[in-house]
Amino acid sequence: RKEVEQDPGPFNVPEGATVAFNCTYSNSASQSFFWYRQDCRKEPKLLMSVYSSGNEDGRFTAQLNRASQYISLLIRDSKLSDSATYLCVVNRGTDSWGKLQFGAGTQVVVTP
Amino acid sequence: DAGVTQSPTHLIKTRGQQVTLRCSPKSGHDTVSWYQQALGQGPQFIFQYYEEEERQRGNFPDRFSGHQFPNYSSELNVNALLLGDSALYLCASSPGGGSYEQYFGPGTRLTVT
Repeated sequence: RKEVEQDPGPFNVPEGATVAFNCTYSNSASQSFFWYRQDCRKEPKLLMSVYSSGNEDGRFTAQLNRASQYISLLIRDSKLSDSATYLCVVNRGTDSWGKLQFGAGTQVVVTP
Repeated sequence: DAGVTQSPTHLIKTRGQQVTLRCSPKSGHDTVSWYQQALGQGPQFIFQYYEEEERQRGNFPDRFSGHQFPNYSSELNVNALLLGDSALYLCASSPGGGSYEQYFGPGTRLTVT
C-alpha cells in the first residue's frame, strides 16, 4: 500500500463551482500535512499547510482527520487558473525530518 | 528575494554516463532536499542535506550521491545512468528551525538515451 494515496481524477469543474477531494495516508505517526499545487511541467508550489483544527486561505479550505487518516481540500468559487494537479504531502516528523511523502496528485480541470 | 534556483534546466545524457545537477537554496534557508519526479507520479524523496551532511535518505541506490557546500548550495550526482533515471529532478529548500515547509526550484529535466 502506498504511504499517501490520492484519486488521480480528473475532476472536471465548471467555473464558479465547488470541488473537494481527499487524500489518505497510511502512517499514523505522520505529523505534518500539506497541499502543493503543480502546473504542467512546473515545480510544485506550496498551497497551504494543514493544521489539526482545519484552516482556510481565501477560497481554499483544508481539513485533517487523524482518526480516519485523511486530509481534504475544498476549493470554492473555482477559477480557470485553479486548473492544476494538487499534491497531498505528508511528513512523519522527527524521525523523518524533511522527508516529504507525496501522493501522485489529483488533477483538477476548471471549465468555462 | 531569489527563490530556489537549479541548473541546468535540461540535460540529455547517454546510458552509463555520469551527471551533476546543481541547486542554490532560497535566501535564509540552510536545508536542501532532492526529489525525483517521473512522469505522472509525485516527487520521490532522494535525500536531504543539512550542515553539509546527508541527514535523511530515501530508497535510492548508492549511484545517487550528493554534497552540500558551506554556502548551503548543493549538488546531486548520479553515476552509471540508466534509462529509468530519466525524470524531473527537483531541489527544495527549507529554513529548518522546526519548519517542514519546503520550497521547490524549477527542476532539471534529465533525459537518458
